[in-house]
Amino acid sequence: EAQVTQNPRYLITVTGKKLTVTCSQNMNHEYMSWYRQDPGLGLRQIYYSMNVEVTDKGDVPEGYKVSRKEKRNFPLILESPSPNQTSLYFCASSSRLRDGNSPLHFGNGTRLTVT
Amino acid sequence: GDSVTQMEGPVTLSEEAFLTINCTYTATGYPSLFWYVQYPGEGLQLLLKATKADDKGSNKGFEATYRKETTSFHLEKGSVQVSDSAVYFCALRGGFKTIFGAGTRLFVKA
Repeated sequence: EAQVTQNPRYLITVTGKKLTVTCSQNMNHEYMSWYRQDPGLGLRQIYYSMNVEVTDKGDVPEGYKVSRKEKRNFPLILESPSPNQTSLYFCASSSRLRDGNSPLHFGNGTRLTVT
Repeated sequence: GDSVTQMEGPVTLSEEAFLTINCTYTATGYPSLFWYVQYPGEGLQLLLKATKADDKGSNKGFEATYRKETTSFHLEKGSVQVSDSAVYFCALRGGFKTIFGAGTRLFVKA
């Protein structure tokens, strides 16, 4: 089954404790992206990757890191989480970068709480 | 820059009522337009799309027409069901970047 898999689904942590949220897709997609969803703000892009070893900042990259060492994986790293990073996070992927026909495929989300 | 504006919710309807969720956009060039739906506890999934002016996207009884002259992509359904209760996001894609509206929550009462 074609899917984007994120783990964990829920995570509660404390300020300053490094964490990683994993994302994997099995559709051989070139493009992957991380979003955060906050009430009233919709989805805001954190980082994206157009292919292996190619990553770039989105609209709200501060406090986050990513890597793309393999095509299927795109982990999101919070080196020193803070309470303002409490949010619902989504990983997404897409094929055919320049083709506007290609929709995003989303994971089921990771709800992060930083105390 | 590019942006998407959609009507604020929540929208509450009775079963079998007509639904409209307004969406307007600003963009340079000719973006593709999408509606995504998010059911409780899940990620977003594509509902429908339109890639050029006057195209109509449709799926599961939902429809939206790409109106370049009014820069709009309003979502409609003739008769909603309780199972349509979800959050709906309008989005545009120009090149590789997708920009989302804030989302509209729909409640459908039996």
